[in-house]
Amino acid sequence: DAKTTQPPSMDCAEGRAANLPCNHSTISGNEYVYWYRQIHSQGPQYIIHGLKNNETNEMASLIITEDRKSSTLILPHATLRDTAVYYCIVRASRPMSNQGGKLIFGQGTELSVKP
Amino acid sequence: GAVVSQHPSRVICKSGTSVKIECRSLDFQATTMFWYRQFPKQSLMLMATSNEGSKATYEQGVEKDKFLINHASLTLSTLTVTSAHPEDSSFYICSAKAGETQYFGPGTRLLVL
Repeated sequence: DAKTTQPPSMDCAEGRAANLPCNHSTISGNEYVYWYRQIHSQGPQYIIHGLKNNETNEMASLIITEDRKSSTLILPHATLRDTAVYYCIVRASRPMSNQGGKLIFGQGTELSVKP
Repeated sequence: GAVVSQHPSRVICKSGTSVKIECRSLDFQATTMFWYRQFPKQSLMLMATSNEGSKATYEQGVEKDKFLINHASLTLSTLTVTSAHPEDSSFYICSAKAGETQYFGPGTRLLVL
């Protein structure tokens, strides 16, 4: 699975949009981009994933560039509870395999939302 | 989203004893579950892939005889840390696949004295 690069830390003002970048320049055609976050001392929480098109759900929006070499996770109105480590992970889809698609975590981006 | 639970949430044991951690998918069936370990201020490290009805697949460097994994049903996987030592103290997290998405449990904090 392709490797991702994220900034180690970011700050965001409460109420503003948080834009978290991720570089995945070696991504291949069958690999999805997944985003998870981990609040201190908890298990990771699934946020969103996408293949080519931009995606939006109740938590966030995912913008994937046309060449798929990078993406941005957008939290439209960040709150203090969004303070967490955000992980961008590229993973191949292997629907026919029981062992398909292990999630390999990098170091992520530590987002601090400040009042 | 799908819910995954872990039990216990925290455990303290003496060096040399064995500890069993349970991972359950509460509202879905999971043929594949994963076990991770996380040390303080580090990222999650995948230990093994647990497949219902078959042997687990361990990542390189993870001792299969020390970390015993059993996936006897579609909703339960267990990780047993055998002959635990202080260096095994860590945060153990499981995840289960629902479709193409993995959902994580809340984690189990193990402290070996």
